[in-house]
Amino acid sequence: ETGVTQTPRHLVMGMTNKKSLKCEQHLGHNAMYWYKQSAKKPLELMFVYNFKEQTENNSVPSRFSPECPNSSHLFLHLHTLQPEDSALYLCASSQFGTSETSSTDTQYFGPGTRLTVL
Amino acid sequence: GIQVEQSPPDLILQEGANSTLRCNFSDSVNNLQWFHQNPWGQLINLFYIPSGTKQNGRLSATTVATERYSLLYISSSQTTDSGVYFCAVGRYGNNRLAFGKGNQVVVIP
Repeated sequence: ETGVTQTPRHLVMGMTNKKSLKCEQHLGHNAMYWYKQSAKKPLELMFVYNFKEQTENNSVPSRFSPECPNSSHLFLHLHTLQPEDSALYLCASSQFGTSETSSTDTQYFGPGTRLTVL
Repeated sequence: GIQVEQSPPDLILQEGANSTLRCNFSDSVNNLQWFHQNPWGQLINLFYIPSGTKQNGRLSATTVATERYSLLYISSSQTTDSGVYFCAVGRYGNNRLAFGKGNQVVVIP
């Protein structure tokens, strides 16, 4: 069972559409992440939010716009996407600690949204 | 950034066989995780193991941090073990995880 949920699970959109992906974590964590997984490629980190503040934007095109209204919810707003943006988009959460004595920074993943851009 | 290499990239196993997956990383780390991605895309946490050895049922993992590698052992493999196994590493104070390309495992009955 995962404590991270994502909706929708599948999404097909045209290049001119606007859509949003939603992620919710039920683990009481303080950090959330968006990853992109394309075929035959490693997971690519897109955005990181610590304590609701964006701390990482891994050179992601502006057609992807993240939003983190609180520590439990994360959105990825999509507009004017390209066919090469078709991929599995994964959300994750963790309890982020800055001390070397922190017990863990284990990331837990949602089931993903499989996105197809036509 | 930290480079992560996993081997072998592809592995076909007969049901009941044992196997070892390897993860090499290029720098010292404080965080190392093994995941299993099932055919539906869900990433399942297997181990958080920045050092030492852990066991969970038929799976076990060992990380030798000083030599910058980790091993995942699958014993008595079952068809449900099929999927992609990912190793990911990071450091405290930086919650960015670097992922390897994965080990694609197929277990045939």
